[in-house]
Amino acid sequence: DSGVTQTPKHLITATGQRVTLRCSPRSGDLSVYWYQQSLDQGLQFLIQYYNGEERAKGNILERFSAQQFPDLHSELNLSSLELGDSALYFCASQGPGNTIYFGEGSWLTVV
Amino acid sequence: DAKTTQPTSMDCAEGRAANLPCNHSTISGNEYVYWYRQIHSQGPQYIIHGLKNNETNEMASLIITEDRKSSTLILPHATLRDTAVYYCIVRVGDNYGQNFVFGPGTRLSVLP
Repeated sequence: DSGVTQTPKHLITATGQRVTLRCSPRSGDLSVYWYQQSLDQGLQFLIQYYNGEERAKGNILERFSAQQFPDLHSELNLSSLELGDSALYFCASQGPGNTIYFGEGSWLTVV
Repeated sequence: DAKTTQPTSMDCAEGRAANLPCNHSTISGNEYVYWYRQIHSQGPQYIIHGLKNNETNEMASLIITEDRKSSTLILPHATLRDTAVYYCIVRVGDNYGQNFVFGPGTRLSVLP
């Protein structure tokens, strides 16, 4: 158990819909990362937050957005969903050291 | 961050040592070498990291060459549960503004 909690574990939704994925980092960790992993692709970095502030951005689509709240949990919002958005979405948190620890992911299926 | 090169796949007999190589010839002096693994579709699991010296923990050993251009992850007694994709990543330490870039990794199959 990495200490990073992601909800929901599984989600099925229709094209065009909007979903929110939630991540609770390890206790005391200030930084949160979001990654996407499709079936035929590796781990793609989406975005990183540190103490509520966006710090780095990867190939995140404009239909996707994220935020980190004062209690340090983070949410990834995916809108106007397409079939190609079906993937595993991972959250990771980073504490005072340099290592990041991943949650178990949220499986999103768009039908 | 420096790029890394790993073999696509490797096999290892159960009970034997698994030696997974990684090339990072453009590594800078302040960049660390990290190893993660992903078992099936679980969240990637941190294994070990190092800067210059060899490192060992309860999971594995990390051997970094003196010129730091390559490294080897050693699983001393591989078990079937070590079958996974192993990722070697090079990253500047203490930097909250950069991401961990995951390449395709090495798919390790531990065979009975």
